[in-house]
Amino acid sequence: QQQVKQSPQSLIVQKGGISIINCAYENTAFDYFPWYQQFPGKGPALLIAIRPDVSEKKEGRFTISFNKSAKQFSLHIMDSQPGDSATYFCAASKAAGNKLTFGGGTRVLVKP
Amino acid sequence: DTGVSQDPRHKITKRGQNVTFRCDPISEHNRLYWYRQTLGQGPEFLTYFQNEAQLEKSRLLSDRFSAERPKGSFSTLEIQRTEQGDSAMYLCASSHGTLGVRETQYFGPGTRLLVL
Repeated sequence: QQQVKQSPQSLIVQKGGISIINCAYENTAFDYFPWYQQFPGKGPALLIAIRPDVSEKKEGRFTISFNKSAKQFSLHIMDSQPGDSATYFCAASKAAGNKLTFGGGTRVLVKP
Repeated sequence: DTGVSQDPRHKITKRGQNVTFRCDPISEHNRLYWYRQTLGQGPEFLTYFQNEAQLEKSRLLSDRFSAERPKGSFSTLEIQRTEQGDSAMYLCASSHGTLGVRETQYFGPGTRLLVL
């Protein structure tokens, strides 16, 4: 049972473009939604996170949009750079314990 | 480097052998998590410690798997009688917080296991 569904599986964007990754969740008990970035051979690193009491959060070139009624959230990477080429994972957790449930990942390639 | 460290980084073993991985969390982090990541997939939760207490285990963690965190410091994950399906990246993460409070999980570089 995949509780967090992520799309697309892969994405190619030109330098300076916008990368958009979408996630949908099923469990309404989820109340914390982080995004992680992972480079080959490395562990995931937290990029940005949001709670459902806000609809948008921005940190630098990264923005999360959250739609609680639709149970969807998305990551926007503005002004994409070649160094952003990585795999991005959305995740969710709930109050009873902090284990993260991850989406399947999106491999982003930024072409110079 | 004060991040989460894992040892070994790579392990190749034959089916049926036992393997043990070690995770050293960030100093003073009271929570420690183990996840498994197969190629092209997101990490999947295995188990979680608060200090030395193992508070939750996933149904993915069969009886061949055991994890410990003696004295609430480093943790070990042992797989007995390895199977080819155990081939994956085993990730450790740590965080500092109290129950009910969401805090950032910091991941280590992982141990990549290949079972031949």
